[in-house]
Amino acid sequence: DGGITQSPKYLFRKEGQNVTLSCEQNLNHDAMYWYRQDPGQGLRLIYYSQIVNDFQKGDIAEGYSVSREKKESFPLTVTSAQKNPTAFYLCASGLLGVVPTTNYGYTFGSGTRLTVV
Amino acid sequence: GENVEQHPSTLSVQEGDSAVIKCTYSDSASNYFPWYKQELGKGPQLIIDIRSNVGEKKDQRIAVTLNKTAKHFSLHITETQPEDSAVYFCAASEAGGSYIPTFGRGTSLIVHP
Repeated sequence: DGGITQSPKYLFRKEGQNVTLSCEQNLNHDAMYWYRQDPGQGLRLIYYSQIVNDFQKGDIAEGYSVSREKKESFPLTVTSAQKNPTAFYLCASGLLGVVPTTNYGYTFGSGTRLTVV
Repeated sequence: GENVEQHPSTLSVQEGDSAVIKCTYSDSASNYFPWYKQELGKGPQLIIDIRSNVGEKKDQRIAVTLNKTAKHFSLHITETQPEDSAVYFCAASEAGGSYIPTFGRGTSLIVHP
């Protein structure tokens, strides 16, 4: 059963700590994305990766870091430099290319809710 | 870059009524318009999409219309049911290539039984 898995579902971070959110997909999707969701602000892109060992900053990359060592995995680290990390984090994956009949829509994970304590 | 406006931010309807959510976009290069449904505490799920060579697409009680000239597209839900209650997001992008969609801010749909 193909899908995208985020873990943990809930995460608590102390001030000054780095934490890493996991995202794994078995859909054979080329691209993976991290979004941050805050109430009333929709989905904001943090980082994305379209190929292994390469990634690009999104609109709100400051205070975050990522890696893409395997096609299936795209972990997100929330560093101590991120001053307001409490949010719902969503990972997504999707296909690239120009095949007209392809479903270009994202598949999202179920999210990780991060809270600073 | 692309800018997507979504309205209304909240929509309350009675069970059985229709619901319409509207989005406008700014980049004429956008040619792919997906809609996502997000239930409480879950990730968004793609429910329907439309490409720019099509004016309308239907899937049971859900339909999406696209007006490329006016740069707007809409989600129509007929015969609403309480399980339709969720946050709905529209998005716009240029399909293929780098494909980074721009999302609207979401519409919270509440269906009262």
